[in-house]
Amino acid sequence: QKEVEQNSGPLSVPEGAIASLNCTYSDRGSQSFFWYRQYSGKSPELIMSIYSNGDKEDGRFTAQLNKASQYVSLLIRDSQPSDSATYLCAASSGGSYIPTFGRGTSLIVHP
Amino acid sequence: DAGVIQSPRHEVTEMGQEVTLRCKPISGHNSLFWYRQTMMRGLELLIYFNNNVPIDDSGMPEDRFSAKMPNASFSTLKIQPSEPRDSAVYFCASSPTYNSPLHFGNGTRLTVT
Repeated sequence: QKEVEQNSGPLSVPEGAIASLNCTYSDRGSQSFFWYRQYSGKSPELIMSIYSNGDKEDGRFTAQLNKASQYVSLLIRDSQPSDSATYLCAASSGGSYIPTFGRGTSLIVHP
Repeated sequence: DAGVIQSPRHEVTEMGQEVTLRCKPISGHNSLFWYRQTMMRGLELLIYFNNNVPIDDSGMPEDRFSAKMPNASFSTLKIQPSEPRDSAVYFCASSPTYNSPLHFGNGTRLTVT
């Protein structure tokens, strides 16, 4: 059973701080990793994808992947109240390419 | 690009009735996924199509659920008969190729009373 684990939160950070979201996965064959943001009552939307070990930066967002530790993280710098949402981590293996989603971490950025 | 289009947005039905959810993927996308989201279980894959062919339906809960993709621009998910435990948000998503990120539709919120 392929599993993706996330702390459900909520993670509460003050405006302007760095928010750190973490995710672990069970399938060592996983090759592709995605972070989605989901506002309440809305559909998930892609924030970042990462395929190789190391860091990948896009604006205020940085995804980090460590395949040896089976660990993926998302850092949000200069957090804004508009970042308040649930963040979903997903992993897919080279075999099926079907993303398995974690249950998400709720992030609250307070002014 | 209109994105993935799902209909209806909301569906309220009584137990035992047939429910049909519809999805139009993004043009040119070869992969189509149906997911179900609940508070208890999160996002669960129901079925995955590639080039209109069902590849993985291991997530379909039971025989009451069926899905079809008669052509590249249309898919349906049918529940017959529906039960209260089927109440959830059902998402359709498509992607251009394998291993690409998913593009989600707005979802159908199903309530079975």
